[in-house]
Amino acid sequence: GAGVSQSPSNKVTEKGKDVELRCDPISGHTALYWYRQSLGQGLEFLIYFQGNSAPDKSGLPSDRFSAERTGGSVSTLTIQRTQQEDSAVYLCASSPGPREGRETQYFGPGTRLLVL
Amino acid sequence: DQQVKQNSPSLSVQEGRISILNCDYTNSMFDYFLWYKKYPAEGPTFLISISSIKDKNEDGRFTVFLNKSAKHLSLHIVPSQPGDSAVYFCAASYTGTASKLTFGTGTRLQVTL
Repeated sequence: GAGVSQSPSNKVTEKGKDVELRCDPISGHTALYWYRQSLGQGLEFLIYFQGNSAPDKSGLPSDRFSAERTGGSVSTLTIQRTQQEDSAVYLCASSPGPREGRETQYFGPGTRLLVL
Repeated sequence: DQQVKQNSPSLSVQEGRISILNCDYTNSMFDYFLWYKKYPAEGPTFLISISSIKDKNEDGRFTVFLNKSAKHLSLHIVPSQPGDSAVYFCAASYTGTASKLTFGTGTRLQVTL
């Protein structure tokens, strides 16, 4: 079946602009995660959705970052007033959920964001 | 504070030999560990996992060892193949965190002919 898909694959934007990144999880997966990988770093957790609710937003770096999920499926990560330090690869993952601490997460290919 | 550490940024191994990738963690609450492989321009792909109630898990050419007292795990690939060349990430989670993964910074494995 289809894996996790993300769009766009690449995004170049100017400092101060808003961007929206989209994630389509594997069909039927109720858990959805956003991570980001900055240059030379590991993956950093941003936010977790179970269904349409986000019980863990602890990784969002500032209030410029927000995310929503609708219909228990597609999720959008929005970054307002982008800064150069926001440049990174943004990865989405999904898992069947919920079975805390024991599930494999399946990742999409990521969106490479460059803020000029 | 880096709770999961991969101290070797790169590793080169000859085809057919054993590759050993290491990972250390500091948070004693972690009870589930995973290894992911990542090729350029692709998302990480799950390889193998291990629960803290075990000290070894094997899947084909891949074996993960867990030493809880040392807070150390390792991934063994035997025999190594050129297609194994990728970046390998160690990740950890603990019950109660809804599977939120904490990742290491990765080790780039190069398998040479």
